[in-house]
Amino acid sequence: QVTLKESGPVLVKPTETLTLTCTVSGFSLSNARMGVSWIRQPPGKALEWLAHIFSNDEKSYSTSLKSRLTISKDTSKSQVVLTMTNMDPVDTATYYCARTVGIVATSFDYWGQGTLVTVSS
Amino acid sequence: DIQMTQSPSSLSASVGDRVTITCRASQSISSYLNWYQQKPGKAPKLLIYAASSLQSGVPSRFSGSGSGTDFTLTISSLQPEDFATYYCQQSYSTPIFTFGPGTKVDIK
Repeated sequence: QVTLKESGPVLVKPTETLTLTCTVSGFSLSNARMGVSWIRQPPGKALEWLAHIFSNDEKSYSTSLKSRLTISKDTSKSQVVLTMTNMDPVDTATYYCARTVGIVATSFDYWGQGTLVTVSS
Repeated sequence: DIQMTQSPSSLSASVGDRVTITCRASQSISSYLNWYQQKPGKAPKLLIYAASSLQSGVPSRFSGSGSGTDFTLTISSLQPEDFATYYCQQSYSTPIFTFGPGTKVDIK
């Protein structure tokens, strides 16, 4: 059974750095076809893709947020970590991690439940 | 970056109605288009991948079509559990992904 679960702080202050962890089970992050993305959704708004990491450690980032994001993985712990620097109230959102399978024409077939992060002083 | 648009942004429909949602890409994305359903407070759920392939376990009343820049999600007979927001997403530029702005389907 494939599952993903996000964890991290519920509340962060402006200018702080956010660190979120996605713990996966039911598949291996070392599997050549697997990848994990982070996606966020501000309250009442649309989904926004943030970052992606493949099993070979190749990484990609949203053009608009690239300077603030770092994605990494610890295969032994089955975890994918996202850091976002210089948090602002506009970054208040539910943050999801989601799995992709394959290198081309991929889709997000499994999602975590999401974690709501509020940015406020 | 590839931009995605959806129309309409919202619609009201009745149970049993045929519903069509359109997604357009800013450039050709071949058939690299996926559709998701999201209910309030829940994570999105994959419905259709590669423009027209039904994800396992998804009811056959959902179908997708299109290629290039124009795509359609059709619900042949709307059921009470289908009231939700629907998002398209392109994977042509993998590993850079883009979602559409969403279409909310509510009860007339």
